Amino acid sequence: DAGITQSPRHKVTETGTPVTLRCHQTENHRYMYWYRQDPGHGLRLIHYSYGVKDTDKGEVSDGYSVSRSKTEDFLLTLESATSSQTSVYFCAISPSGFNEQFFGPGTRLTVL
Amino acid sequence: AQTVTQSQPEMSVQEAETVTLSCTYDTSENNYYLFWYKQPPSRQMILVIRQEAYKQQNATENRFSVNFQKAAKSFSLKISDSQLGDTAMYFCAFLFLSNTGKLIFGQGTTLQVKP
Repeated sequence: DAGITQSPRHKVTETGTPVTLRCHQTENHRYMYWYRQDPGHGLRLIHYSYGVKDTDKGEVSDGYSVSRSKTEDFLLTLESATSSQTSVYFCAISPSGFNEQFFGPGTRLTVL
Repeated sequence: AQTVTQSQPEMSVQEAETVTLSCTYDTSENNYYLFWYKQPPSRQMILVIRQEAYKQQNATENRFSVNFQKAAKSFSLKISDSQLGDTAMYFCAFLFLSNTGKLIFGQGTTLQVKP
């Protein structure tokens, strides 16, 4: 299995609070991605990174920000969580933008 | 916009039989990869099989094989000798090589293998 961990694995929070999810990899892969999974939508890309401090928006980036200060860590922040951000969040990594992606175990976030 | 469609929300198959999951996509790109991912109840996303668009030969991984029809923009997954452990949600995904590796996923097909 690819060395990808996500923390926390489960979180319940209240509307309006900030939340940060962490993705950590031990593979030294250049590309890292954040997706959310919702029923009927499959997985949708939120943000991705193609190197340290190099990030870009995905399909559903509104309300989310990311940071990557080290190769191994990619953080996803919800500045002010809303109930529409209740979802399962997956981190993925890839050695380049032209390979399959390997996924972390996911984080279930509930915003009350 | 590029889209991936899985038209079968749910399917079931008897253990040891064969089942085919459908996937179609829409793109004007010529160079891309296609994948099938499996998501069992544990929620882990597991890569099942990969197909490069420039290859005419269909990919095979043990009991899993694909039928890739580039002109028809179709990419189906065949599971032979189905096992109880194949019970999962299956996602078809499209990787645009001109778009920094952004995967586009279908909505998923839930497959139940019955004993």
